Amino acid sequence: ETGVTQTPRHLVMGMTNKKSLKCEQHLGHNAMYWYKQSAKKPLELMFVYNFKEQTENNSVPSRFSPECPNSSHLFLHLHTLQPEDSALYLCASSQAGLAGAYNEQFFGPGTRLTVL
Amino acid sequence: DAKTTQPTSMDCAEGRAANLPCNHSTISGNEYVYWYRQIHSQGPQYIIHGLKNNETNEMASLIITEDRKSSTLILPHATLRDTAVYYCIVRGNTNAGGTSYGKLTFGQGTILTVHP
Repeated sequence: ETGVTQTPRHLVMGMTNKKSLKCEQHLGHNAMYWYKQSAKKPLELMFVYNFKEQTENNSVPSRFSPECPNSSHLFLHLHTLQPEDSALYLCASSQAGLAGAYNEQFFGPGTRLTVL
Repeated sequence: DAKTTQPTSMDCAEGRAANLPCNHSTISGNEYVYWYRQIHSQGPQYIIHGLKNNETNEMASLIITEDRKSSTLILPHATLRDTAVYYCIVRGNTNAGGTSYGKLTFGQGTILTVHP
């Protein structure tokens, strides 16, 4: 257990569905991240939230919509996805500190998403 | 962030030391070397990090060459549960609004297989 939980662990959805992935961290961190891991590709950073403010958006299509209501929770809202969006979606958190501080990231177990 | 080069795969006998190399010849002075690993179907797990001195913790040792252009992760007594993909990542800290958070860029990593 890393202190980062993700639900659901598995999700199958059609291309017209709307669903949400949830991440919760119990570590008191203030930075949270969404990563995508497609088959046989490296993990790709999607979004970063630092003190609830989105500070990174790595050219992610608008069909992925993140939400960070507080520093412990992070959501990824999904709508009109494509089959190529099928992947493992990983959430992570870290403690953002003063400039130059070290920030180990703690990852959740991921949500395995299949888009039909 | 500097790029890293790792062998695609390595084998190790159980109980022996596993030495995983990483080249990072373009590393800059303020960039750290991080190692994470990902066991099948789980989220990545932090192992160790260093700047220029050798580091050791309960999981592994990190040896960084004097010119910092390469490093080696050492698992002193590999077990079957150490079979995983090992990622060497070089990065500095990203600063936003006076605070610092981590931004990890994952490569393909090294698939380490520990066999009986």
